[in-house]
Amino acid sequence: DGGITQSPKYLFRKEGQNVTLSCEQNLNHDAMYWYRQDPGQGLRLIYYSQIVNDFQKGDIAEGYSVSREKKESFPLTVTSAQKNPTAFYLCASSILGDSQNTEAFFGQGTRLTVV
Amino acid sequence: AQTVTQSQPEMSVQEAETVTLSCTYDTSESDYYLFWYKQPPSRQMILVIRQEAYKQQNATENRFSVNFQKAAKSFSLKISDSQLGDAAMYFCAYRSGGKIIFGKGTRLHILP
Repeated sequence: DGGITQSPKYLFRKEGQNVTLSCEQNLNHDAMYWYRQDPGQGLRLIYYSQIVNDFQKGDIAEGYSVSREKKESFPLTVTSAQKNPTAFYLCASSILGDSQNTEAFFGQGTRLTVV
Repeated sequence: AQTVTQSQPEMSVQEAETVTLSCTYDTSESDYYLFWYKQPPSRQMILVIRQEAYKQQNATENRFSVNFQKAAKSFSLKISDSQLGDAAMYFCAYRSGGKIIFGKGTRLHILP
């Protein structure tokens, strides 16, 4: 079955440690996204990528880093510079170009708790 | 910069009644897409309906329809014959090019 896989579902880390969230898709989508969800804040865009080896900052990129070495994979690293990393993180992918099917498809999310 | 605003943090509707969720957006682009997503307690994001900006006709999907007013930059979602399973967070989203941004969401409660 095609889809987006985020792992792990729950992640605990100590303050000051970097942590990497995994996101893999087998939908052959060009674009991939990372969002952060906090209560009352909706989904805020962290980073997005439209092509391998290229990515753009979203609205809240500070304290995060990404890579896009393969079309299928878009890992997100939450660094120690992120002041309040505890949140629910959602990865998504979509096709590009003029098409009716331009919506984002989402993974199940990763709940990160920093203690 | 583009923005998406949902002015109703929470709404309630009686089962079988109709409810309308509001969304406005700000953009200088002429070609874009708009979406409504539903997020139930499982937190899985589910596409409800999409609208292409170049289409004047409002999109419909069964009990869900939109009122797209391009000049006013408004994109409201109407849910008819509300069901208990419609209870969820609803997010309005805007896409132009490769970027997709979301509003803060509206939590919809269905009263039996």
